[in-house]
Amino acid sequence: EAQVTQNPRYLITVTGKKLTVTCSQNMNHEYMSWYRQDPGLGLRQIYYSMNVEATDKGDVPEGYKVSRKEKRNFPLILESPSPNQTSLYFCASSLRWTSGQETQYFGPGTRLLVL
Amino acid sequence: AQKITQTQPGMFVQEKEAVTLDCTYDTSDPSYGLFWYKQPSSGEMIFLIYQGSYDQQNATEGRYSLNFQKARKSANLVISASQLGDSAMYFCAMREGLNNDMRFGAGTRLTVKP
Repeated sequence: EAQVTQNPRYLITVTGKKLTVTCSQNMNHEYMSWYRQDPGLGLRQIYYSMNVEATDKGDVPEGYKVSRKEKRNFPLILESPSPNQTSLYFCASSLRWTSGQETQYFGPGTRLLVL
Repeated sequence: AQKITQTQPGMFVQEKEAVTLDCTYDTSDPSYGLFWYKQPSSGEMIFLIYQGSYDQQNATEGRYSLNFQKARKSANLVISASQLGDSAMYFCAMREGLNNDMRFGAGTRLTVKP
């Protein structure tokens, strides 16, 4: 089954304690992204990746790191989480067909609370 | 300036009727992609439909179609024969150029009435 998995699904942590949210897709997609969703602010892109070892900043990259060492994995790293990073996080992967069509898949989301 | 605008915070539609959710965008890049997503109350994000800027025909996917009016920079989502399960938040988004840089609209909450 084609899917994007994220772990953990829920996390409560404290300010400054490094954490990693994992994201994995089983569809061999080149394109992957991380988003955060906040009430009143909608969805905002944090980082994206066009392929292995190719990452770039999105709209709100401050306080986050990513890596793309393998095609299937795109972890999101919070080196020193702060309360303003409390949010709902989504990982997504996409396939661009040669026809020009595009299909996207989202992970189930990770709800993070930073105290 | 807002790149993606959804002017309808909330919409109501009667079951079995069609509904149009509005989306306008702003870009000077000739190459871009437009997306629609559904987010039910359970929270997951579901990709619905995609329209490329060079596509001549409106995209369709089952009961979903995208009314693409390039000159007006609008990409409205049309849901035909609404069902109760269509009640959700709907987001429009745009990717400019060939990278993966995405911008989202604020969303429209659709409620389907029985």
